[in-house]
Amino acid sequence: KQEVTQIPAALSVPEGENLVLNCSFTDSAIYNLQWFRQDPGKGLTSLLLIQSSQREQTSGRLNASLDKSSGRSTLYIAASQPGDSATYLCAVLSDTGRRALTFGSGTRLQVQP
Amino acid sequence: SAVISQKPSRDICQRGTSLTIQCQVDSQVTMMFWYRQQPGQSLTLIATANQGSEATYESGFVIDKFPISRPNLTFSTLTVSNMSPEDSSIYLCSVDNYSGQGSYGYTFGSGTRLTVV
Repeated sequence: KQEVTQIPAALSVPEGENLVLNCSFTDSAIYNLQWFRQDPGKGLTSLLLIQSSQREQTSGRLNASLDKSSGRSTLYIAASQPGDSATYLCAVLSDTGRRALTFGSGTRLQVQP
Repeated sequence: SAVISQKPSRDICQRGTSLTIQCQVDSQVTMMFWYRQQPGQSLTLIATANQGSEATYESGFVIDKFPISRPNLTFSTLTVSNMSPEDSSIYLCSVDNYSGQGSYGYTFGSGTRLTVV
């Protein structure tokens, strides 16, 4: 059974810092990995999708990497801003025919002005 | 990517009553997924809904408590029945942006924040 872990659970940084969020998964047989952002009480916004054949994806100040063989992904946020404050969720789609995502528990980020 | 309209966005309900949540997708999709997010927790899959067949429920979730309808390829509803305070959660629907070449990631509705009093 796939399990996804995110570290740290919470993070508080001053504005302008570069930061790294970590995600690990137990079964490397994945189809893709997706990073989401969730604001309090709201739905999920997709940030980046990495297919299993890819090593990284970039969107603006965000960069996500994937090391499938070691079961790890990182989300790098450059020059953090208060508007980046949210919970960041990592989710994997396993390559087992099961079409539903498996989620990590999330990293709650607070960027202080 | 598909766009999902989810209603209601939030509700406060009395225990013992039922609430039906609706999700409308702007394109035809084969599978729709319903998740629950309890306070401070991550997302847990409730069931997978295919058009024209019974939904497939995950362990710990039953049809009598969470009946699902999927009348066509763009619409689904989830009902939370006989509610108790423990059902207070955010409920989300999701679709896979799938094409013949594979999955292009999942899109989620804006969520329904349910409080049972």
